[in-house]
Amino acid sequence: DIVMTQSPDSLAVSLGERATINCKSSQSILYSSNNKNYLAWYQLKPGQPPKLLIYWASTRESGVPDRFSGSGSGTDFTLTISSLQAEDVAVYYCQQYYTTPPYTFGQGTKLEI
Amino acid sequence: QVQLQGSGPGLVKPSQTLSLTCTVSGDSISSGSYFWTWLRQPAGRGLEWIGRIYTSGSTNYNPSLKSRVSISLDTSENQFTLNLSSVSAADTAVYYCARDQKGNGWYREWGQGTLVTVST
Repeated sequence: DIVMTQSPDSLAVSLGERATINCKSSQSILYSSNNKNYLAWYQLKPGQPPKLLIYWASTRESGVPDRFSGSGSGTDFTLTISSLQAEDVAVYYCQQYYTTPPYTFGQGTKLEI
Repeated sequence: QVQLQGSGPGLVKPSQTLSLTCTVSGDSISSGSYFWTWLRQPAGRGLEWIGRIYTSGSTNYNPSLKSRVSISLDTSENQFTLNLSSVSAADTAVYYCARDQKGNGWYREWGQGTLVTVST
């Protein structure tokens, strides 16, 4: 299985400041035939299901604020929140969907103010 | 807009079988090219992919759970079901049902989550 490792495990950022979460895969999840990175990002709040933020590593889901952005390629990826809002407090997960299942997730990064 | 609603017992005894159902509304479970998936999140831990079933009925399971898992479709009720046998405390988790479109792999639509506790 591809192992996804996030860093840091937790992060405290002031309102209005930038938050950066990293995700590293144990092997490349870039598919050379279509030049797409098979990576998604989710936001998870207590009592709610995960919310899809980003797919194909950098494509923002419809309705997601543009302060959320995804970048990276191959094995190293980043989720950036450009200006932290109070409602962004949550746990964030990356997920690879490159291989035949099981798809795998990072261990999560807890974002606090 | 498709909606998924998970349901099932919140408490299961060790060694018994956990059974959860996900009822789909807003779309037919047998139409389109979708994978109907179960995932879980143990308390204090990350998300774990359990398995999925395609609209054709073919399945994929996480090898770590494969010997204990089965997922089935009930097209008459527009539902899909998870069965996990021989449960232990390690299977205590919030269980989610979700859908992804063939060729994608990310999950846009999720059920609300069902907390299942394995305990005597």
